[in-house]
Amino acid sequence: AQSVTQPDIHITVSEGASLELRCNYSYGATPYLFWYVQSPGQGLQLLLKYFSGDTLVQGIKGFEAEFKRSQSSFNLRKPSVHWSDAAEYFCAVGGNTDKLIFGTGTRLQVFP
Amino acid sequence: EADIYQTPRYLVIGTGKKITLECSQTMGHDKMYWYQQDPGMELHLIHYSYGVNSTEKGDLSSESTVSRIRTEHFPLTLESARPSHTSQYLCASSQRQGSGTDTQYFGPGTRLTVL
Repeated sequence: AQSVTQPDIHITVSEGASLELRCNYSYGATPYLFWYVQSPGQGLQLLLKYFSGDTLVQGIKGFEAEFKRSQSSFNLRKPSVHWSDAAEYFCAVGGNTDKLIFGTGTRLQVFP
Repeated sequence: EADIYQTPRYLVIGTGKKITLECSQTMGHDKMYWYQQDPGMELHLIHYSYGVNSTEKGDLSSESTVSRIRTEHFPLTLESARPSHTSQYLCASSQRQGSGTDTQYFGPGTRLTVL
């Protein structure tokens, strides 16, 4: 079955600390992977995406993600978190269809 | 990046009312989507469209209907709203870029509350 798992429902970090949000997927074909961010009361904004090529992908706002096929993972990272990064983060997978499968999201809280 | 708009942003209505949630995009994207999002849950696709006069049901059963008369416009209608329809509704659009899943761009959402 096709699915996305975000194991961490809620993460709290201090401002300036590093961040890693986990994403594992199950997909029967070559995966297309996405990370979106959603601020309260807003829609989803694309942070980055991976289709092929270099497995380390750079995105907006200083985020990056690494595709590891052997681990079926696409974890999101940021070396130094800012208070404005507090939001909900969604990982999604697509591939050989037009449909995206989303995880349940990880809520990031940032303390000063 | 796509410019995609949704109105209203917030709507509180009584049971039995007919409502239409509006979604428009200015990028000329062929594909458009409606998702339903509840707190702590993943987004569920309820409708999508490949282009004008094309509409398909998504993975999550929904009592809503959609239409696609113009490329830029993809409204969602509930004929008789019920409290179970209370949710956030997100519209998205994409343009065919290759053989795989296209990048979807999202609107700000409509938060619907049915009393």
